[in-house]
Amino acid sequence: GQNIDQPTEMTATEGAIVQINCTYQTSGFNGLFWYQQHAGEAPTFLSYNVLDGLEEKGRFSSFLSRSKGYSYLLLKELQMKDSASYLCAVLSFQKLVFGTGTRLLVSP
Amino acid sequence: NAGVTQTPKFQVLKTGQSMTLQCAQDMNHEYMSWYRQDPGMGLRLIHYSVGAGITDQGEVPNGYNVSRSTTEDFPLRLLSAAPSQTSVYFCASSITGGKLFFGEGSRLTVL
Repeated sequence: GQNIDQPTEMTATEGAIVQINCTYQTSGFNGLFWYQQHAGEAPTFLSYNVLDGLEEKGRFSSFLSRSKGYSYLLLKELQMKDSASYLCAVLSFQKLVFGTGTRLLVSP
Repeated sequence: NAGVTQTPKFQVLKTGQSMTLQCAQDMNHEYMSWYRQDPGMGLRLIHYSVGAGITDQGEVPNGYNVSRSTTEDFPLRLLSAAPSQTSVYFCASSITGGKLFFGEGSRLTVL
């Protein structure tokens, strides 16, 4: 089976940096993925990591440590439009399993 | 470019009724999947398919049936709807299973 944990909710200020952590336990690992979901909308793909290390994509970066079962999503220069849920997901044996998501509230 | 199209967007059913949620993609993706999303429980995988003629169960398959007769279409059937199946359903497609493209979702209420 799989177990994916991430904080339920986080708050941050516009212009700041926020780090959303995700820990996982899985019997097979083919990649870790991050998605963004605005309220009432479908999730959209943000980033993925297969190997250990940091992947940078504009204001968003994602880090993976396979030995620790740990990933984080780093959001820089926060904007109001970044208020959304961020979903961590693990691909294992062709199944993409999601955590319950972290709701990020960005305030002015 | 339509991407992933789900119909209907909203549906109300009575307990015991059956229905089919339609999903079609025009990206020639081999991989397609269905999720349900409930408050506090995140996205849960119902069924998935790695290609035409191949389907497999996800985390919560009971009460749902799928088929994949073509690459483009992946319908989800509720055999006998129950109030516990009230949820938002998302269909998604992908080249390999990780980077998913989601449809807009179908909101189902079972009375």
